[in-house]
Amino acid sequence: KAGVTQTPRYLIKTRGQQVTLSCSPISGHRSVSWYQQTPGQGLQFLFEYFSETQRNKGNFPGRFSGRQFSNSRSEMNVSTLELGDSALYLCASSFGGGVGETQYFGPGTRLLVL
Amino acid sequence: ILNVEQSPQSLHVQEGDSTNFTCSFPSSNFYALHWYRWETAKSPEALFVMTLNGDEKKKGRISATLNTKEGYSYLYIKGSQPEDSATYLCAAPGAGAGSYQLTFGKGTKLSVIP
Repeated sequence: KAGVTQTPRYLIKTRGQQVTLSCSPISGHRSVSWYQQTPGQGLQFLFEYFSETQRNKGNFPGRFSGRQFSNSRSEMNVSTLELGDSALYLCASSFGGGVGETQYFGPGTRLLVL
Repeated sequence: ILNVEQSPQSLHVQEGDSTNFTCSFPSSNFYALHWYRWETAKSPEALFVMTLNGDEKKKGRISATLNTKEGYSYLYIKGSQPEDSATYLCAAPGAGAGSYQLTFGKGTKLSVIP
């Protein structure tokens, strides 16, 4: 079974631009979560989607948004990029997103904002 | 917002040593506790999902215990090997509407010296 894939793997943008990151979950998984990892902050939850519905959103500004498609693939978008958005963005998938379910992580997209 | 804490922040051990580290989480409204291993340049890899007080899980030389009444979990590595060098993360889901959201600790970075 193919794992979680994320594209692109690396991205360089400038302040004020916007960016879209993509995540393809494991086949059959319907829940996709997104996390941001910055040095010293650890993994911070952005949002979770299940069957095209956002069920939970973390404490991030409205510049961060996402969506999920009918095939469970998910995208996240960051508008008006700031230097502080430079981070590793990880997505994770699970069958239903339940509290006792393992989440399987992708390799991440490393975003650098100049 | 959950507070998940891990200690120590980092650890250096000699090859062959056994070691352990701690994850602390709120004991009220406990749902589950996840452990992940994150090696440099790889995706976080799920180790265990623990749900019951007194749970003990084992995977090779790695084992974990759970005490939900006092709000902690221990991860043990027996006979550490250089390939065990990684950051070990624990995470807990939130309550109610936030239950689809994993809150991660900042991790324990383990370095095993050959």
